[in-house]
Amino acid sequence: NAGVTQTPKFQVLKTGQSMTLQCAQDMNHNSMYWYRQDPGMGLRLIYYSASEGTTDKGEVPNGYNVSRLNKREFSLRLESAAPSQTSVYFCASSEEGGGQETQYFGPGTRLLVL
Amino acid sequence: LAKTTQPISMDSYEGQEVNITCSHNNIATNDYITWYQQFPSQGPRFIIQGYKTKVTNEVASLFIPADRKSSTLSLPRVSLSDTAVYYCLVGALGFSGAGSYQLTFGKGTKLSVIP
Repeated sequence: NAGVTQTPKFQVLKTGQSMTLQCAQDMNHNSMYWYRQDPGMGLRLIYYSASEGTTDKGEVPNGYNVSRLNKREFSLRLESAAPSQTSVYFCASSEEGGGQETQYFGPGTRLLVL
Repeated sequence: LAKTTQPISMDSYEGQEVNITCSHNNIATNDYITWYQQFPSQGPRFIIQGYKTKVTNEVASLFIPADRKSSTLSLPRVSLSDTAVYYCLVGALGFSGAGSYQLTFGKGTKLSVIP
């Protein structure tokens, strides 16, 4: 039982390049989340998926797209990376939606955009 | 989603009890209070959750007064391995008028345990 896994662990991009951050969970959870964490800041929600086939914008969705490929996987895509997207990205999952139940987080992806 | 206020940082010696207080004046009736712990270079990890009075588990205790406008996370006899950032999260996903969801962790409290 690996919990929530994220790939890659670290990535360097040049401005304008694209990439997809992958996330998978093996806990049969319905809800999945993407957050970003900037230095000295808390986590901010980028996108949320209540269940397979549904996605909703979070607080900071601009510049990102997501795909809930199936119940296990939730990917985050940067179509044209910008230096402002340099951050640590965390994926999380929970049994149901709403956020009050326990969220399980992945180890994070550290992204540097030059 | 209720706005929360926590101290930015705290220092404690090993073996002491540490209490971290979170203020949340506009907590809603249905809101639960959840605390997460984050070690450097890791994702946050659930510690404890409560609605009112006191909750205790093998890791921590959570004290919530009757008015629920604040809560206190208590870590008994901390060790160096408790050095981390602790986040207080109140409520659930909120749907904003702009058509998006909010679930924001505040800046948290950075706890440093000193030998």
